[in-house]
Amino acid sequence: GQNIDQPTEMTATEGAIVQINCTYQTSGFNGLFWYQQHAGEAPTFLSYNVLDGLEEKGRFSSFLSRSKGYSYLLLKELQMKDSASYLCASEGFQKLVFGTGTRLLVSP
Amino acid sequence: DAGVTQSPTHLIKTRGQQVTLRCSPKSGHDTVSWYQQALGQGPQFIFQYYEEEERQRGNFPDRFSGHQFPNYSSELNVNALLLGDSALYLCASSWGGSFLNEQFFGPGTRLTVL
Repeated sequence: GQNIDQPTEMTATEGAIVQINCTYQTSGFNGLFWYQQHAGEAPTFLSYNVLDGLEEKGRFSSFLSRSKGYSYLLLKELQMKDSASYLCASEGFQKLVFGTGTRLLVSP
Repeated sequence: DAGVTQSPTHLIKTRGQQVTLRCSPKSGHDTVSWYQQALGQGPQFIFQYYEEEERQRGNFPDRFSGHQFPNYSSELNVNALLLGDSALYLCASSWGGSFLNEQFFGPGTRLTVL
């Protein structure tokens, strides 16, 4: 089976750093993905991890520990436009399962 | 280069009716995946089409069916609509039949079942 857990909501201030955690239980695990979704819009791809470790992409980094079934998305130098839902998704046996998303609110 | 396009944008149907949603993938993409997203939830995987065949399917009943055409565009059909089918239906395209190749999502079709 497949199960993904992530916090429902987080708040942070502009310029700060925030870490969004995600735990998963996925049969046939093949990779972990992060998407950003602004209200009323489609999700956009941020990153994916297949192997353990940290992947860095500008202000965004994603980490994976396969043995622990754990990932996090790190957002640095937060901007107001980063207010959005962040979706964690895992792939197993060619099926992609999304979590419910973490709504991030960035305040001035 | 047009991205992923979906039609229609919005649709209102009544219980028991049938609906067809359409998706055109991003240029150069040959794989289409369909998702259902209820309000406040993450997208739920319905199925994926690659090489005109359904490759994998999520936990959706047979009322949900699809098709992929030789030009890689795709349709999602839902029969015997239920109130619970009201949701945003998202189409995503990629290439090579793999999720590890970045998926691009379309804007979605908002389906309301009355």
